[in-house]
Amino acid sequence: AQKITQTQPGMFVQEKEAVTLDCTYDTSDPSYGLFWYKQPSSGEMIFLIYQGSYDQQNATEGRYSLNFQKARKSANLVISASQLGDSAMYFCAMREAVGGTSYGKLTFGQGTILTVHP
Amino acid sequence: DTGVSQNPRHKITKRGQNVTFRCDPISEHNRLYWYRQTLGQGPEFLTYFQNEAQLEKSRLLSDRFSAERPKGSFSTLEIQRTEQGDSAMYLCASSLKGTQETQYFGPGTRLLVL
Repeated sequence: AQKITQTQPGMFVQEKEAVTLDCTYDTSDPSYGLFWYKQPSSGEMIFLIYQGSYDQQNATEGRYSLNFQKARKSANLVISASQLGDSAMYFCAMREAVGGTSYGKLTFGQGTILTVHP
Repeated sequence: DTGVSQNPRHKITKRGQNVTFRCDPISEHNRLYWYRQTLGQGPEFLTYFQNEAQLEKSRLLSDRFSAERPKGSFSTLEIQRTEQGDSAMYLCASSLKGTQETQYFGPGTRLLVL
């Protein structure tokens, strides 16, 4: 079974509009972390936002917010006021702490290509 | 520049040759990771180090792959007897052991095996 599922291969949004990128995850571990990364065409993975499984509030970082619904095991990324520079591939990733030990590795989804139109 | 650096950025080699990549993590980070990313896919975990100890290796890491982090600072990833299927982007990331442990990635090394 996929641990991280991103069901939207591609998304289009008009500049200045908001967009939501979907991510669902699968884990039996009560302690885990969820991350979103942006990968422009240059290839570098850029960290955007983090949500811990025990965090009570949804994470926010500037124009990025994470809609965390623990019972549904979803961690959707919301980008407000889209900009042309937001056009990139976006990856959702999870870090599990197996048996109480943080192994540290990230498991990534397949990614969503976001295109921002002027 | 205090980010993660990787060298070389691009490598073209012939099948059967050996290649070595280097990663310099953020200086205070004690964890270092290697991932491989093929076109249109998310990165896949290969191995990681805490200081100089290699704590986990993926099944993706065949016997032809070896990674080292001799002094707990930079790391090298060597691929022996390269195959066309090794063509991919090799990404290095580092983090500081703790609660959040955000991994910060380098620019990657793009390998093409002819």
